[in-house]
Amino acid sequence: GDSVTQMEGPVTLSEEAFLTINCTYTATGYPSLFWYVQYPGEGLQLLLKATKADDKGSNKGFEATYRKETTSFHLEKGSVQVSDSAVYFCALSDRGGSYIPTFGRGTSLIVHP
Amino acid sequence: DGGITQSPKYLFRKEGQNVTLSCEQNLNHDAMYWYRQDPGQGLRLIYYSQIVNDFQKGDIAEGYSVSREKKESFPLTVTSAQKNPTAFYLCASSMDAGRETQYFGPGTRLLVL
Repeated sequence: GDSVTQMEGPVTLSEEAFLTINCTYTATGYPSLFWYVQYPGEGLQLLLKATKADDKGSNKGFEATYRKETTSFHLEKGSVQVSDSAVYFCALSDRGGSYIPTFGRGTSLIVHP
Repeated sequence: DGGITQSPKYLFRKEGQNVTLSCEQNLNHDAMYWYRQDPGQGLRLIYYSQIVNDFQKGDIAEGYSVSREKKESFPLTVTSAQKNPTAFYLCASSMDAGRETQYFGPGTRLLVL
């Protein structure tokens, strides 16, 4: 079946540092890929998405590129802020199947001033 | 403002008791979902509904029940058969079953007394 693997956290950074959170996937079809963010005590919200190979999703300074050849969708941000501290979930949706996302386990990001 | 509301924010269950978690949306979305979130395990799908009066089991449906009598509402009942109910429960919706982006509520934390 489909699966998503994220790097384990927590990832701890100083403010203005560069962020990478790795995400790789396995899918039988040609999925759409997502990053969701969860702030403490809240639900998830969509951060960005990409629907085909080489597409780049971007939002709030975060970027991720759909790499079909390496089955990856790594999240990056050039300069993190304390307010970026949250849990980040990578997910895929198999458009040939049920369309219900498969989520990774989440990666906690802690940004210190 | 359109969105998804969940209530209560915290819920306490006694041994042998059934409890019901509320989920309401005013986004006019057809599809609704219930997830369970445990630390370090990401999101696991409990039940989903693609249309009124129809719902399907997810990966961990045992010990849970749902109803979908109205488009706006998708309540989840945690029955006494669920032996380990302590978790954070998230409700989500999407425009329809073929739309991949999900919109999440703020969650309900269930604790056992």
